[in-house]
Amino acid sequence: KQEVTQIPAALSVPEGENLVLNCSFTDSAIYNLQWFRQDPGKGLTSLLLIQSSQREQTSGRLNASLDKSSGRSTLYIAASQPGDSATYLCAVKAASGSRLTFGEGTQLTVNP
Amino acid sequence: GAVVSQHPSWVICKSGTSVKIECRSLDFQATTMFWYRQFPKQSLMLMATSNEGSKATYEQGVEKDKFLINHASLTLSTLTVTSAHPEDSSFYICSARVLTSGPYEQYFGPGTRLTVT
Repeated sequence: KQEVTQIPAALSVPEGENLVLNCSFTDSAIYNLQWFRQDPGKGLTSLLLIQSSQREQTSGRLNASLDKSSGRSTLYIAASQPGDSATYLCAVKAASGSRLTFGEGTQLTVNP
Repeated sequence: GAVVSQHPSWVICKSGTSVKIECRSLDFQATTMFWYRQFPKQSLMLMATSNEGSKATYEQGVEKDKFLINHASLTLSTLTVTSAHPEDSSFYICSARVLTSGPYEQYFGPGTRLTVT
C-alpha cells in the first residue's frame, strides 16, 4: 500500500526566503506526482505535475523535482511571499486511471 | 482549465436530517468523480469513486448507506449524507476526471463545509 509522507508538517519563514518542502513515498512504481496548494477552507489548486519519466517541473517561482528511485520529491519555492502561505499537499498516482494518494501536507506561513 | 463546482459551499443542519451536496464539472465531461473527506489539519481521505451510470465504489470503512452517491450524468454527481450526526461534520471535496486522458486527469472542487448541530 502506497504511503506518502510530508516533512515538515509546518514551516514558518520570513518573507523573501527560499524554502524546500519534502515529500516521500514508499512505492516507487508511480505514474505521476502532483503538488497542490490548499488555502484555509478551500479546495485544491494544482501547482505542478511531474510524470514518472520526468525529473522536474517549473512554474514561476516554483520548482518540483522527482527522484523515483529514492521515493522523494521536493517543492522549491523561491523568494517566498506572504501570499504563498497555505498548506501544500503532494499526491502520487500509481497508474493512469488509479486514485491519488495524498500526504498529510505542509502548512506554510510566510511572515511579512 | 477545467472547472469543478460544488454546491452548497457550506451548510449547517440539525442532527438526524439529510444533506445533499452537488458536484458539477462545468466545462468538461467527467466519466469519473471522486468524493473526499477532510478533517481539520488532516489530508484528504478518499470516500468513494463514482462512474457515470453505475454504482459508486466505496472505500473500506465508509458506510454506503450513510453516504449515498449518485452520478446521474457526465457533469453531475451528488453526495447525500443521510441521518447526519455531529461526527459527520467535515469538509467534503469532490474531484472530477476528464473524459479524455491526459496528465491533469483530476480537477478539484472548492469543497463544502458541513456542520451538524
